[in-house]
Amino acid sequence: ETGVTQSPTHLIKTRGQQVTLRCSSQSGHNTVSWYQQALGQGPQFIFQYYREEENGRGNFPPRFSGLQFPNYSSELNVNALELDDSALYLCASSLRGNVLTFGAGSRLTVL
Amino acid sequence: KNEVEQSPQNLTAQEGEFITINCSYSVGISALHWLQQHPGGGIVSLFMLSSGKKKHGRLIATINIQEKHSSLHITASHPRDSAVYICAVRRHSGGGADGLTFGKGTHLIIQP
Repeated sequence: ETGVTQSPTHLIKTRGQQVTLRCSSQSGHNTVSWYQQALGQGPQFIFQYYREEENGRGNFPPRFSGLQFPNYSSELNVNALELDDSALYLCASSLRGNVLTFGAGSRLTVL
Repeated sequence: KNEVEQSPQNLTAQEGEFITINCSYSVGISALHWLQQHPGGGIVSLFMLSSGKKKHGRLIATINIQEKHSSLHITASHPRDSAVYICAVRRHSGGGADGLTFGKGTHLIIQP
């Protein structure tokens, strides 16, 4: 049974650029959710995908968008990067309503 | 006021001590999660609770739905238990989204 893998693990971007983060769900999981964790803070819910459709969203602007693919892997896209977007981005997969399995995260630095 | 509050924020204890971390929440929930986060970021799910009590090894989690309160206990604590422990709740949601609302975490250090 594979876990949740995220890529890249670290990346550096400049303000105004765009970034795509990727997440491979654990085998058998059909739900993926994304979280932003700023340094020293708890994670914040960005959005969730279930069977390729967004079915929940936190308090994040539209420049945060995502996709879920037929194999349940997922992408998080952030446009027009701002300095405050610097954070650890965590992906978690689950079989809807059950225990979440988290990836190790992608650490984004915006300069 | 945060919807999920944890206490204490920081806790340092000696190896072998009994540890309690508390979580209070102010919203209706369908489930509560206890998570463990080690330096570097990886999060491990410890428990998912909707009522009562669960035990796994030296870890025990309890929840009181009426009081909107949960506790995580560690018996016979060990330095390898040093980590940030995070409480997170899944709200009642008509849309069924599993997105969690997190507490800020409790930073636990167990000294040998």
